[in-house]
Amino acid sequence: EAGVTQFPSHSVIEKGQTVTLRCDPISGHDNLYWYRRVMGKEIKFLLHFVKESKQDESGMPNNRFLAERTGGTYSTLKVQPAELEDSGVYFCASSQDRGIPLLFFGSGTQLSVL
Amino acid sequence: DAKTTQPPSMDCAEGRAANLPCNHSTISGNEYVYWYRQIHSQGPQYIIHGLKNNETNEMASLIITEDRKSSTLILPHATLRDTAVYYCIVSANTDKLIFGTGTRLQVFP
Repeated sequence: EAGVTQFPSHSVIEKGQTVTLRCDPISGHDNLYWYRRVMGKEIKFLLHFVKESKQDESGMPNNRFLAERTGGTYSTLKVQPAELEDSGVYFCASSQDRGIPLLFFGSGTQLSVL
Repeated sequence: DAKTTQPPSMDCAEGRAANLPCNHSTISGNEYVYWYRQIHSQGPQYIIHGLKNNETNEMASLIITEDRKSSTLILPHATLRDTAVYYCIVSANTDKLIFGTGTRLQVFP
């Protein structure tokens, strides 16, 4: 069974540009989460989808970040326009709807904003 | 904010048991204890979780005190590949997982 896959693995962009990160969860997992780790800081929760609905987006830093999960399958996280402080590793995770959040994480996307 | 307290770092000799402590004195009755780890540059990896009973799987054992205010993750025979940051997390059923600073475990030959 394939795990959580994220694309791209690395992205280098200039300040002001737009970047879209993609996450393909494990097949059959209704729950999808985005987290990120900026340099030297802890892994921070961004948001949680249940199927195509946003269950909790309390961790989204500002309106430059837009997450979507059309059809309840894969998800995208777009940053527009990117700022220097957005650099970090963005992780996606998924879990089955079993009442407890056993998350399976992808390898992450390393985003560098120059 | 994370609801757990862990030592920032620990060392363990290869082949020995690694015992990683975690304090969660404010844990609620419906909150589970989860352990994840992050090996350098990889995504966090689920290890084990429990509510009040001790748990064991192929990776580790989880010992939870009777008052549930602390727990210990045990890696019975640590290997060099177990070098990672270990996160103890408490969370209710439908909550998101909040990562703290974790314990950096260094396994040495």
